[in-house]
Amino acid sequence: DAKTTQPNSMESNEEEPVHLPCNHSTISGTDYIHWYRQLPSQGPEYVIHGLTSNVNNRMASLAIAEDRKSSTLILHRATLRDAAVYYCILRLGYQFYFGTGTSLTVIP
Amino acid sequence: DTEVTQTPKHLVMGMTNKKSLKCEQHMGHRAMYWYKQKAKKPPELMFVYSYEKLSINESVPSRFSPECPNSSLLNLHLHALQPEDSALYLCASSRGGLIVGTGELFFGEGSRLTVL
Repeated sequence: DAKTTQPNSMESNEEEPVHLPCNHSTISGTDYIHWYRQLPSQGPEYVIHGLTSNVNNRMASLAIAEDRKSSTLILHRATLRDAAVYYCILRLGYQFYFGTGTSLTVIP
Repeated sequence: DTEVTQTPKHLVMGMTNKKSLKCEQHMGHRAMYWYKQKAKKPPELMFVYSYEKLSINESVPSRFSPECPNSSLLNLHLHALQPEDSALYLCASSRGGLIVGTGELFFGEGSRLTVL
């Protein structure tokens, strides 16, 4: 059973911000929230992760709800190279279980 | 470029064959993973090795046999597979030990297996 739920697909215009939501209502206090993306014919690639506070890195930002039952991955300016499947994952120790993912289409 | 190397990239085998998938990393990671990914589905966790010992086995059929001969290598031995085992097999690694839970997974590009 998936521990995270995400929309199946989303579209964004190029150079616009994208907000990818994830619900994880059964999250425990020690679960880390990870995001990965998978481009066609490649293995998944790490994007960002966090526990309680919002996080920023060169790729994206992660906004975590105060109750931690949901999070949002923010791509500040979508490019064509950002077209991929984005997975929201809860991590406990060595247990990384992928949710169903959101397929992001970027429109030129 | 990925720092996790998987070989072969493609493998075709019959149901009576024995073959192996190999994975190698030189990042000093002490946790290594096998995932199975069917088309248009998310990766499914199969096995996790931590410090060369099997830590997680997600009730995978015995026709899949993992092996971790040292901290850099991870193998997946295949025997008597079924056509429904055809999939992309992904290897990943992460730091282990005290910082478990914080480090990210590094994935290889996968080995695409076809069982005839």
